[in-house]
Amino acid sequence: SQTIHQWPATLVQPVGSPLSLECTVEGTSNPNLYWYRQAAGRGLQLLFYSVGIGQISSEVPQNLSASRPQDRQFILSSKKLLLSDSGFYLCAWHNQGFTSPLHFGNGTRLTVT
Amino acid sequence: GDSVTQMEGPVTLSEEAFLTINCTYTATGYPSLFWYVQYPGEGLQLLLKATKADDKGSNKGFEATYRKETTSFHLEKGSVQVSDSAVYFCALNRDDKIIFGKGTRLHILP
Repeated sequence: SQTIHQWPATLVQPVGSPLSLECTVEGTSNPNLYWYRQAAGRGLQLLFYSVGIGQISSEVPQNLSASRPQDRQFILSSKKLLLSDSGFYLCAWHNQGFTSPLHFGNGTRLTVT
Repeated sequence: GDSVTQMEGPVTLSEEAFLTINCTYTATGYPSLFWYVQYPGEGLQLLLKATKADDKGSNKGFEATYRKETTSFHLEKGSVQVSDSAVYFCALNRDDKIIFGKGTRLHILP
C-alpha cells in the first residue's frame, strides 16, 4: 500500500535561519507531488508541485523553494526564514492523471520566532 | 488565473437538516472537481469527485454535480448528522495544478 511520510511534525526556528522539510512517498512510482500551506480562514495555498524528477512549478513567489532530487522525494527549503513563513505545511501526492485524488501527509507545524 | 470560491462559514445546522455548501470555480478548459473533508483532529481526505460536465459525485450521502454552464460544484446532503461536523474544501485539478477553496466549517447540533 502507498504511504506518505512527512517530517518533522513540529519545528521552531529563529528568523533568518534555513529550513528543510522533507516528504517521501512509498509504494508508488512517478507520483505527482505537492506542497501546500494551510492557514485558518485561508484554506490550502498551493506553493509548489512537481510532475517528475527535477520538474518544479512554483505558485508563490517568495523566499521558499522546492526540489525533487528523487522520484518519491520532495523537499521544501528556505535560505532565510521570515516570521510570515510560520504556518502548517502539508505535503501531498497523487497518481498521474487529472482524476486521481490527493493523499496528504500529517503536516509540519512551523513556528518562526 | 484559476480559482475556487466557497461560501463563507461557519455553517450551523440541526441534525437531519438539508445541507448545501456552494462552490464555484474559474478555470480554462475542463478541470476535474473534488470535495475534500477534514474531520476534527484528522487530515484531509477525499469525499467525492466529478471529472466532466454533468457528472455527479456521491459518497456517504453527499452529492455534487459538475455544472459547467454555471461553473459550480455545490455540495449537498439531504439529512446531516452530528458526525458530519468538519471542514469541507472544494478543489479543482487542471493540468496537474490542484487548487483549493478556503474551506467551509460545518457544525451540526444534536
